Amino acid sequence: NAGVTQTPKFQVLKTGQSMTLQCAQDMNHEYMSWYRQDPGMGLRLIHYSVGAGITDQGEVPNGYNVSRSTTEDFPLRLLSAAPSQTSVYFCASSPVGGRGAFFGQGTRLTVV
Amino acid sequence: AQTVTQSQPEMSVQEAETVTLSCTYDTSESNYYLFWYKQPPSRQMILVIRQEAYKQQNATENRFSVNFQKAAKSFSLKISDSQLGDTAMYFCAFPPRGRDDKIIFGKGTRLHILP
Repeated sequence: NAGVTQTPKFQVLKTGQSMTLQCAQDMNHEYMSWYRQDPGMGLRLIHYSVGAGITDQGEVPNGYNVSRSTTEDFPLRLLSAAPSQTSVYFCASSPVGGRGAFFGQGTRLTVV
Repeated sequence: AQTVTQSQPEMSVQEAETVTLSCTYDTSESNYYLFWYKQPPSRQMILVIRQEAYKQQNATENRFSVNFQKAAKSFSLKISDSQLGDTAMYFCAFPPRGRDDKIIFGKGTRLHILP
């Protein structure tokens, strides 16, 4: 029972590089989302999706793109990495109206 | 829109003591879930306990229990016989209710269990 699988766990990027954080869930959840968490702070919503083909912006969407071509997958793309994007990123999935949000293990991203 | 407020940014208690973390919320819904998540230093987000609003009985999971006051829109977490491993950030949360909703998290309470 995999739950939410998020990769990679660690990543170092140079300023200007692009990359994709992968997130997959096997629970058939409609809702998926990406958060970033900076030191000593709570979770800030980047983008979210309520189903395949539907995405929307959260609080801090700039510099990030998402797509939801299937129910299972919700990748997060950093278009041109900046040091301000150094953070820990979490993917989460949840049934709408439902019984809990399930999180990936997190990705610690450092942009140098 | 739903809101979640955690008014205690940081707390410290001695090991084996009982501690209560506060959470208040606002919603126009009549039936909903509420959750508490634990985030230890490893950064993993762990679902601690959940409460369904239509259930009058407070949820309990081992040493963790909630005091759910629906009329007051209060959802506090009580940790009994606290242990060093309970040291973590704790977040109160609301799940998405509909297609345009988001998971709503409180800002978190950092809990230190002191030896």
